[in-house]
Amino acid sequence: GAGVSQSPSNKVTEKGKDVELRCDPISGHTALYWYRQSLGQGLEFLIYFQGNSAPDKSGLPSDRFSAERTGGSVSTLTIQRTQQEDSAVYLCASSTQSTANTEAFFGQGTRLTVV
Amino acid sequence: KQEVTQIPAALSVPEGENLVLNCSFTDSAIYNLQWFRQDPGKGLTSLLLIQSSQREQTSGRLNASLDKSSGRSTLYIAASQPGDSATYLCAVYGQNFVFGPGTRLSVLP
Repeated sequence: GAGVSQSPSNKVTEKGKDVELRCDPISGHTALYWYRQSLGQGLEFLIYFQGNSAPDKSGLPSDRFSAERTGGSVSTLTIQRTQQEDSAVYLCASSTQSTANTEAFFGQGTRLTVV
Repeated sequence: KQEVTQIPAALSVPEGENLVLNCSFTDSAIYNLQWFRQDPGKGLTSLLLIQSSQREQTSGRLNASLDKSSGRSTLYIAASQPGDSATYLCAVYGQNFVFGPGTRLSVLP
């Protein structure tokens, strides 16, 4: 597609429920990243996929968070048993993998509110 | 571990002023540095990308410089306008993108 697409744009869920957030990267981009931005805070790295390599999960805050990327394209971030502190904007980015020219393009984010 | 800081945290200027935003990083082993703009409630828009071998990049009223050896980058905005009001983030790319906390800019008409 023309840009990185994320859905839904907004999600309100009850504490304890599971949620799935979706990211469609730019066609042809081999790298995909998930970040979290809490209110008034900077971007917190969550997970990084590069091609067929094992993902870098070092930023996932707990085992309630998981992500997968099917067919090297669409990615889903799943949060199980949501807590109020999970409320944030979840941003997805994609890029090529050409090192010096690697430029990240971001989606508009999913605003998650846990009530 | 790469750490990125940005100064100032917030800046308020009258329209028409030239201004400089600063970004510092601790590990100079980077491939590139990217400046983004974020409007409230929105995603990030890429402004400029400077490769590690480059010293500066320009786009319109924006000029970004990079001194990799000292771990610094500056974003220069000329003749600021109210529409420039946003949060500006820098990110360095090594194995991953590491972001600074941002500078919140307000340009007053």
